[in-house]
Amino acid sequence: AQKITQTQPGMFVQEKEAVTLDCTYDTSDQSYGLFWYKQPSSGEMIFLIYQGSYDEQNATEGRYSLNFQKARKSANLVISASQLGDSAMYFCAMRERERDDKIIFGKGTRLHILP
Amino acid sequence: NAGVTQTPKFQVLKTGQSMTLQCAQDMNHEYMSWYRQDPGMGLRLIHYSVGAGITDQGEVPNGYNVSRSTTEDFPLRLLSAAPSQTSVYFCASRGLNYGYTFGSGTRLTVV
Repeated sequence: AQKITQTQPGMFVQEKEAVTLDCTYDTSDQSYGLFWYKQPSSGEMIFLIYQGSYDEQNATEGRYSLNFQKARKSANLVISASQLGDSAMYFCAMRERERDDKIIFGKGTRLHILP
Repeated sequence: NAGVTQTPKFQVLKTGQSMTLQCAQDMNHEYMSWYRQDPGMGLRLIHYSVGAGITDQGEVPNGYNVSRSTTEDFPLRLLSAAPSQTSVYFCASRGLNYGYTFGSGTRLTVV
């Protein structure tokens, strides 16, 4: 069964608009972590934001925030005031503490910011 | 600069050849992993290690071997390359918390 689901293969968003990238996950663990990574066309993987399953508040890092809805098993990434440089592939990932602490990735969402 | 170093950046192999992708990190991270990235598939875990001397299989381990003799190094070996192993390979390491630090990747083509 797929552990991380990103249902949006691609998105087009106008510059300066807010963007929400969807991510749902499946786990029976109580302790886990959720991540978002950005992969620009240059290919490197850039860590954006982390949310622990026991964190009571949604994580924020600058223009990035993670909308964590534990009951729905949802961890959407919100990018405020999008910029052209936000055009990239975005991956949601999960780390399960009780599964040897491996990190597994979703298939990604390609985000295009339009000028 | 601290980080994860992968070599080579590009490689072309003939079917049946063997090679080792090198990965080294200088952050004293215990946890290291190898992923492959194929179009439309995201990143898939090949092998991982929770510390020197300890390795385990990920989602797609067939055709690959690893070893972890030191904390710093985690090489990935292809024993007999196949065209299906054409991919971009990423090595990553992690400290006690948070996510991985990734290397810059190796683009491998098997012809």
